[in-house]
Amino acid sequence: DIQMTQSPSSLSASVGDRVTITCRASQSISTYLNWYQQKLGRAPKLLISAASSLQSGVPSRFSGSGSGTDFTLSISSLQPEDFATYYCQQTYSTPHTFGQGTKLEI
Amino acid sequence: EVQLVESGGGLVQPGGSLRLSCAASGLPFSRHWMTWVRQAPGKGLEWVANMNEDGSQKDYVDSVRGRFTISRDNAKNSLYLQMNSLRAEDTAVYYCARVHGSYRILDYWGQGTLVTVSS
Repeated sequence: DIQMTQSPSSLSASVGDRVTITCRASQSISTYLNWYQQKLGRAPKLLISAASSLQSGVPSRFSGSGSGTDFTLSISSLQPEDFATYYCQQTYSTPHTFGQGTKLEI
Repeated sequence: EVQLVESGGGLVQPGGSLRLSCAASGLPFSRHWMTWVRQAPGKGLEWVANMNEDGSQKDYVDSVRGRFTISRDNAKNSLYLQMNSLRAEDTAVYYCARVHGSYRILDYWGQGTLVTVSS
């Protein structure tokens, strides 16, 4: 199975900050990497697919990059609604494993 | 409007069985892979199983293989997860989600149903 490792596990930041979350795969997954945002008590929401493709309706302050084994999710200017937990997921091979999550806190 | 609605969760004793359902509306259900993802209390997301459009292909995470069975009824726009030999570590919120495109994104999710395995 492909292991996905996110860092950091938690992150404290302020409104207006730029933050970056890293996701590393245990083997090359090309760009089969998606990012999700989850708020407490809610289902996850897709933000970015194929490592860098922003989903319709997602603010442009979110961006993704990477290929192979190393990927990043960046938020250019944090807004209050961005404080949530973020997960990467590889869909290169089953099981389509998730990272352990990064909790973004104020 | 696309809706995925899970049901069937509840409290079950270790070793017991439960069948989850996911009713889909507002999307061409029979044309999409579907998946189950779970989340233990206070923990991260775990991919559980997926199934192709006609049910001929399916796969599972190792921890549930041989105990859980994913199935679908396209005539009823429904996805199922039969869970047998349940363990305490299966306690989680179970989400169904639609799989879309070549990158297999999960673009629509249900609200989840809670399964608690405890004596």
